[in-house]
Amino acid sequence: GQNIDQPTEMTATEGAIVQINCTYQTSGFNGLFWYQQHAGEAPTFLSYNVLDGLEEKGRFSSFLSRSKGYSYLLLKELQMKDSASYLCAVADSNYQLIWGAGTKLIIKP
Amino acid sequence: GAVVSQHPSRVICKSGTSVKIECRSLDFQATTMFWYRQFPKQSLMLMATSNEGSKATYEQGVEKDKFLINHASLTLSTLTVTSAHPEDSSFYICSARWDRDYPEAFFGQGTRLTVV
Repeated sequence: GQNIDQPTEMTATEGAIVQINCTYQTSGFNGLFWYQQHAGEAPTFLSYNVLDGLEEKGRFSSFLSRSKGYSYLLLKELQMKDSASYLCAVADSNYQLIWGAGTKLIIKP
Repeated sequence: GAVVSQHPSRVICKSGTSVKIECRSLDFQATTMFWYRQFPKQSLMLMATSNEGSKATYEQGVEKDKFLINHASLTLSTLTVTSAHPEDSSFYICSARWDRDYPEAFFGQGTRLTVV
């Protein structure tokens, strides 16, 4: 079966750094996405990785290792507005997105 | 970037009535549209996938006759919740893809449905 695993909840302090991990087992791989979702809102796109390595975009970076079936989202200089759920999704061999359950990130002052 | 508009953002309806939710891709042609449902504090649950001009493919456990999906054009898909019940109250989100071989999905704003 297809499976995406990510922690249910994480807590971090404002100004700090947090890393949210995602491991996956899917039938085929056509890229991995990270989305941010605030409560009551639709997800918004953060990053897309299809090759191994680190992609940096401002305060957010995303890393992928296809051989390990592993990705992480790194958030630096955390701000209160970063409190949200972070969803990991993998595109399988049919380009269908398989979603993780999401990681709720709580930022404390 | 690609914009997907979903309407209405909130709707309250009485039990037994039907509700239609629209999803439009504003600046691109969506080859595929997806409908999701999300309960509080849970992740997205894919309900169905629709390709323009063909019947929607429903996920296991989703009632086709209750959740009618129409994808009549490359820019519009609709989800109709028929004979709504309070347990259908949820957050419904659509997403659209412009290229079958490029998997990024662009999301609508979501619709909060409350059935009373």
